[in-house]
Amino acid sequence: DQQVKQNSPSLSVQEGRISILNCDYTNSMFDYFLWYKKYPAEGPTFLISISSIKDKNEDGRFTVFLNKSAKHLSLHIVPSQPGDSAVYFCAASAGGNKLVFGAGTILRVKS
Amino acid sequence: EPEVTQTPSHQVTQMGQEVILRCVPISNHLYFYWYRQILGQKVEFLVSFYNNEISEKSEIFDDQFSVERPDGSNFTLKIRSTKLEDSAMYFCAGSTRDEQYFGPGTRLTVT
Repeated sequence: DQQVKQNSPSLSVQEGRISILNCDYTNSMFDYFLWYKKYPAEGPTFLISISSIKDKNEDGRFTVFLNKSAKHLSLHIVPSQPGDSAVYFCAASAGGNKLVFGAGTILRVKS
Repeated sequence: EPEVTQTPSHQVTQMGQEVILRCVPISNHLYFYWYRQILGQKVEFLVSFYNNEISEKSEIFDDQFSVERPDGSNFTLKIRSTKLEDSAMYFCAGSTRDEQYFGPGTRLTVT
């Protein structure tokens, strides 16, 4: 099942700089997109979401951009902090039901 | 801030045994879910539950699996006869609308 893809397994960023995590999807029925952060031995923690009727949603240091024509979304974290180091999952849903997850991107923020 | 809780945090069982994984969702949530993550793989949907019945289930959720919410608070996942391949992290989640909030997970090890 490759409906949601995160092609970068890992990303390393210097503290204070911008982190950009990318996600692509194939199912045009997806209408809601979410980003989750996950630490080892914990459950996914909801970060930010965006509806397909929008192209941008911002919450503090986190901004999600949606490009529907390209079926692409990205999460921007600025400025990045060492505590942001975790696995980030992109997820999508169609009609508000089950989430389909990407494989995750490991973010390391170096101080 | 209310949280989803799951017990036990780790369950070790022998192949063929029954296990029950327990979750206490956030009180105002209406939709409930189980997901699992096999080591090194994606988080994958198992089942969704709304208004005391299953609303959707994946191919993984076969006759060996069942869910119930017997007392309006606990939400349980039962695996009747565990197999080695059931070893995974099992996450409970709940939502009122589109954002799903996850518990910390139960690590199930089948030997």
